[in-house]
Amino acid sequence: GEDVEQSLFLSVREGDSSVINCTYTDSSSTYLYWYKQEPGAGLQLLTYIFSNMDMKQDQRLTVLLNKKDKHLSLRIADTQTGDSAIYFCAESISDKLIFGTGTRLQVFP
Amino acid sequence: EAGVAQSPRYKIIEKRQSVAFWCNPISGHATLYWYQQILGQGPKLLIQFQNNGVVDDSQLPKDRFSAERLKGVDSTLKIQPAKLEDSAVYLCASSPSGAGGYEQYFGPGTRLTVT
Repeated sequence: GEDVEQSLFLSVREGDSSVINCTYTDSSSTYLYWYKQEPGAGLQLLTYIFSNMDMKQDQRLTVLLNKKDKHLSLRIADTQTGDSAIYFCAESISDKLIFGTGTRLQVFP
Repeated sequence: EAGVAQSPRYKIIEKRQSVAFWCNPISGHATLYWYQQILGQGPKLLIQFQNNGVVDDSQLPKDRFSAERLKGVDSTLKIQPAKLEDSAVYLCASSPSGAGGYEQYFGPGTRLTVT
């Protein structure tokens, strides 16, 4: 079945690391993604990971994939107020993106 | 490079009325997607076009929703008649390849309120 789950809310202090978690159910996913959505804006692709990888790092972003547990995480180092947004994970199944419910990240000074 | 354009940005209608949304994808992108994002949820795919042909419309409520992509470029999504539960943001995305999905670029969306 197709189901992607995320916790709804995360609050962190500026300068700390943020970790956003996601679980998915379809083991046939080829790619897994993280998107960022700011108020009134569309979705911005942050990063993606191929299903045969277990880690990908891109500047302040680190993606970890545990395929056995179907668990995906996004770590944002040195979190800034500009990182405040809703973060969606998504899995790709047959060219279709299945999105999670989104995690609202709030960064306070 | 210009991004995905959508209009209008906001629309308020009464239930049972009709509404249409327009999307202009990134130039040269063969694949176009329409998503529905209800408040507090992630986007859900409504329909996917490859050039001017439909690839997947399994989640489109065809009794009231229709979409077309004439000439394989711009697309319109129509709702007729609208229901209260259609209140959502309608997102358009385009992709150069349609494979894998990692190159989907999203527009700003149209926020529809049905009263």
